[in-house]
Amino acid sequence: AQTVTQSQPEMSVQEAETVTLSCTYDTSESDYYLFWYKQPPSRQMILVIRQEAYKQQNATENRFSVNFQKAAKSFSLKISDSQLGDAAMYFCAYHTGTASKLTFGTGTRLQVTL
Amino acid sequence: DAGVIQSPRHEVTEMGQEVTLRCKPISGHNSLFWYRQTMMRGLELLIYFNNNVPIDDSGMPEDRFSAKMPNASFSTLKIQPSEPRDSAVYFCASSRNRRDTQYFGPGTRLTVL
Repeated sequence: AQTVTQSQPEMSVQEAETVTLSCTYDTSESDYYLFWYKQPPSRQMILVIRQEAYKQQNATENRFSVNFQKAAKSFSLKISDSQLGDAAMYFCAYHTGTASKLTFGTGTRLQVTL
Repeated sequence: DAGVIQSPRHEVTEMGQEVTLRCKPISGHNSLFWYRQTMMRGLELLIYFNNNVPIDDSGMPEDRFSAKMPNASFSTLKIQPSEPRDSAVYFCASSRNRRDTQYFGPGTRLTVL
């Protein structure tokens, strides 16, 4: 079965500091796409970052970057210079090239403190 | 450009009633997805369409659930009859194609009493 594991139910970071959220996945496919989505209290699912499995270079989007370790099937999200608005649930997800269904992890709740 | 539009945003109904959730995907997107989010099961795919054709409905819980996509700009998810265990947030998402990023609507919070 294809699974996504987020082992940190909750994380906390001080404003302006850096935090890393962990994600591991399991798939036998070679063609797949990885995502981090953010869900604030408004419950809107917002794309944070996307990584194609065939790309060796780690994706970055402003303060957000990933550490993609394909052999280890690991896909962690680093948030630099954390801001109060980063407080939310973060979901790791992926889908394969043949099946578009997104498989989600259970989420990590991120708190940002002053 | 408008994002994915869902209506209603909130729905409260009584057990046994019919519920219809609506979705308008982003213009030009060929794939449309319905997901359900609950505390117990997290986010799970119910059904997805490609070019208005249902491709994978293996996540539809039972015959009480049905989904249609009569054209490229509109989809419905219907529950008849509704039950309290159907209470959840239902998301619609769309993407340009099967491999592209899925963009989510604001969700419909359904409460069945």
